Amino acid sequence: DAGVIQSPRHEVTEMGQEVTLRCKPISGHDYLFWYRQTMMRGLELLIYFNNNVPIDDSGMPEDRFSAKMPNASFSTLKIQPSEPRDSAVYFCASSLWVSSYNEQFFGPGTRLTVL
Amino acid sequence: AQKITQTQPGMFVQEKEAVTLDCTYDTSDPSYGLFWYKQPSSGEMIFLIYQGSYDQQNATEGRYSLNFQKARKSANLVISASQLGDSAMYFCAMRESYNTDKLIFGTGTRLQVFP
Repeated sequence: DAGVIQSPRHEVTEMGQEVTLRCKPISGHDYLFWYRQTMMRGLELLIYFNNNVPIDDSGMPEDRFSAKMPNASFSTLKIQPSEPRDSAVYFCASSLWVSSYNEQFFGPGTRLTVL
Repeated sequence: AQKITQTQPGMFVQEKEAVTLDCTYDTSDPSYGLFWYKQPSSGEMIFLIYQGSYDQQNATEGRYSLNFQKARKSANLVISASQLGDSAMYFCAMRESYNTDKLIFGTGTRLQVFP
């Protein structure tokens, strides 16, 4: 079975450009999470969806960041305009809620570099 | 205040020995969950083990076990019979309430296993 798929795996862009990160969750999973990992801040949750509906976006740093989940098999995280401080690894994760145990399966991540 | 604290930035262990990675947490909700993830140098996040706050026994998964001391709010990961492939970053995470699916991660511990 395919795991969580993220694209691109690496992205290098210049300050001011729009960046779109993509995620395909594991089929059948009803939760999708976007995380950002940096040396300074560690791994932090940006936003998560349940059944395609955003539940908690309190971690989204500012209005430059937006996330959508138009259907159960696709989500995007967009940064517009991008800034050098957005450079990080962005992870997408998905899970299927069964009980209090809600294991999240992570994708391989997208390494974003903003010059 | 930190909700998840990992006080060991780095640990060394000899192959075949056991090692304990520390994690303390803070939540006022009686219903919570604790997770450990492994992140090898390749970057992916790999789920290792889960402990629910109401679980009576310490969780075990193969060579991994979780030393759960509820009164002390600690959830240490024990890796038995360390292998060279265990060298990685290890993250403790908490789902601080059953009312949320948000995970809060610690800063991680880098484990190095030497021959």
